[in-house]
Amino acid sequence: DAGVIQSPRHEVTEMGQEVTLRCKPISGHDYLFWYRQTMMRGLELLIYFNNNVPIDDSGMPEDRFSAKMPNASFSTLKIQPSEPRDSAVYFCASSLGTGGYGYTFGSGTRLTVV
Amino acid sequence: KQEVTQIPAALSVPEGENLVLNCSFTDSAIYNLQWFRQDPGKGLTSLLLIQSSQREQTSGRLNASLDKSSGRSTLYIAASQPGDSATYLCAVIVNYGQNFVFGPGTRLSVLP
Repeated sequence: DAGVIQSPRHEVTEMGQEVTLRCKPISGHDYLFWYRQTMMRGLELLIYFNNNVPIDDSGMPEDRFSAKMPNASFSTLKIQPSEPRDSAVYFCASSLGTGGYGYTFGSGTRLTVV
Repeated sequence: KQEVTQIPAALSVPEGENLVLNCSFTDSAIYNLQWFRQDPGKGLTSLLLIQSSQREQTSGRLNASLDKSSGRSTLYIAASQPGDSATYLCAVIVNYGQNFVFGPGTRLSVLP
């Protein structure tokens, strides 16, 4: 398996633009997680899905953020409109079942909003 | 609300030294605890997972211990090497095992 695949690796956009981050989880994994990492706040859980259904989105900072998982092999995190304070590294991770077993992170998307 | 802290924030040691990284969590009702490694510009790699019923886990030169009652875990690295240089994050698994709460990490530099 190629692991968790995220695209793009880097994204630079202007304030106010829509940004879409993409994630392909490991085949067979039933949990998918979106995290944001910044120097100030560390690694924060934004939202997670189980069997394509959002379970907890309490970490999504604002209504500008939305996430979807239309099928078991694809998820998106969208920011509209983007703001400079959204600049961070966004990670996707997937796992099989609960408890942290087989928890695998993608390489992340570094987002810069100017 | 579960909070995870790690000390020290950064550590620099000469090659060959044994070292200990510390992790503390505020709520002992955790499901499991996991240590991760993060290299610059990369994602996180799982190192060791300790189930809540276990006291320690070992993998090669790494040994992680867990004391739930005191809310502490340690990661012991034996005979450190320059290739061990990375940020090490501790994470506790809460909410019936469904998601992690991460510590801020310890940035380790092993000097040749």
